[in-house]
Amino acid sequence: GQNIDQPTEMTATEGAIVQINCTYQTSGFNGLFWYQQHAGEAPTFLSYNVLDGLEEKGRFSSFLSRSKGYSYLLLKELQMKDSASYLCAVMDSNYQLIWGAGTKLIIKP
Amino acid sequence: ETGVTQTPRHLVMGMTNKKSLKCEQHLGHNAMYWYKQSAKKPLELMFVYSLEERVENNSVPSRFSPECPNSSHLFLHLHTLQPEDSALYLCASSQDQLHGSLSSYNEQFFGPGTRLTVL
Repeated sequence: GQNIDQPTEMTATEGAIVQINCTYQTSGFNGLFWYQQHAGEAPTFLSYNVLDGLEEKGRFSSFLSRSKGYSYLLLKELQMKDSASYLCAVMDSNYQLIWGAGTKLIIKP
Repeated sequence: ETGVTQTPRHLVMGMTNKKSLKCEQHLGHNAMYWYKQSAKKPLELMFVYSLEERVENNSVPSRFSPECPNSSHLFLHLHTLQPEDSALYLCASSQDQLHGSLSSYNEQFFGPGTRLTVL
């Protein structure tokens, strides 16, 4: 079966750095997405990786290792507004997204 | 209006009611999706429409009935639901991967969702 694993919840301090990991086992691979979802709101796109390596976009970076079935989302200079759930999703061979359950990130002052 | 809109935002219904959820996208996309989001569970893909044809139906009970009259609108008709159907129902749209640009990754854009409670 297809499976996406990510931690249920993480806590970090304002101004610090946090890394949210995602491991996957899917039927085929056509890229990995990270989405952010604030409570009661729609998920919004953060990043996409299809090749191995690091993609940097401002305070957020996403890393992919296809051989290890592994990705992480790195958030730097954390702000209170970064408190949200972070969803990892893999596009399989049928171009359908397989979703993880999300990681709830709590930022403390 | 921009992006993806959904109505209603909140819905409370009894098990014998019939109601419909509406989704509209203003992004010029050709694929639309219905997802179910329950607490602490992964997003569950329910239905996918590409170029107004249903291309995916993930073993969804028949009490959920989708309708896609054109590429901008998507409905989810609900009847005789169960309490366990209470969840957040999200609509999304994208450029269909198979018909989109090979150089783009065609991310999905989500609406704000309908919070459904079945009594």
